[in-house]
Amino acid sequence: DVKVTQSSRYLVKRTGEKVFLECVQDMDHENMFWYRQDPGLGLRLIYFSYDVKMKEKGDIPEGYSVSREKKERFSLILESASTNQTSMYLCASSLAGDNEQYFGPGTRLTVT
Amino acid sequence: GESVGLHLPTLSVQEGDNSIINCAYSNSASDYFIWYKQESGKGPQFIIDIRSNMDKRQGQRVTVLLNKTVKHLSLQIAATQPGDSAVYFCAVVTNSGYSTLTFGKGTMLLVSP
Repeated sequence: DVKVTQSSRYLVKRTGEKVFLECVQDMDHENMFWYRQDPGLGLRLIYFSYDVKMKEKGDIPEGYSVSREKKERFSLILESASTNQTSMYLCASSLAGDNEQYFGPGTRLTVT
Repeated sequence: GESVGLHLPTLSVQEGDNSIINCAYSNSASDYFIWYKQESGKGPQFIIDIRSNMDKRQGQRVTVLLNKTVKHLSLQIAATQPGDSAVYFCAVVTNSGYSTLTFGKGTMLLVSP
């Protein structure tokens, strides 16, 4: 089974802090994705990566950056956390050319 | 860009009923659609997919119907069980080169015994 793990299930940070969310997949997938999920808004794509060191902006990249130094790991970075970044963050991965994405359990981030 | 809409945020059914969850999309060129199920505290999980060259696809107790004329798809769950209680999302492939998805807002299915 594909396994996508995220470093924390719950995280509380203060406004202005730098926040790292880590995601690891164990199935050698080329594509990795970061979404945020908010009530009434569904899942919205922040950034994705189709290869090591490659990244593409999604629909809502403002306030975020990403890093993919190794194939299995995709990090989401909030350079200076703000309260409007309080959300559930979901990581996903997929094989190149395969539309099915496999999701991690999510990290619920609260910024106070 | 693509937008994916949802007709009903919450659907309540009795155990044993059939459930129908609807979804609409905006781009007539969209050619691949996926339904995901998200249980409480978990990430979304793939249920079933359908390509635009099909009108219907069946899985185990689930059927997806695609109406390209009106840009509408639905997920039918037969003999709904309490374990089916979850949020259901439809998703549309928006960039086939990168396999990116646009998700609908989700329907919460509540199954009462």
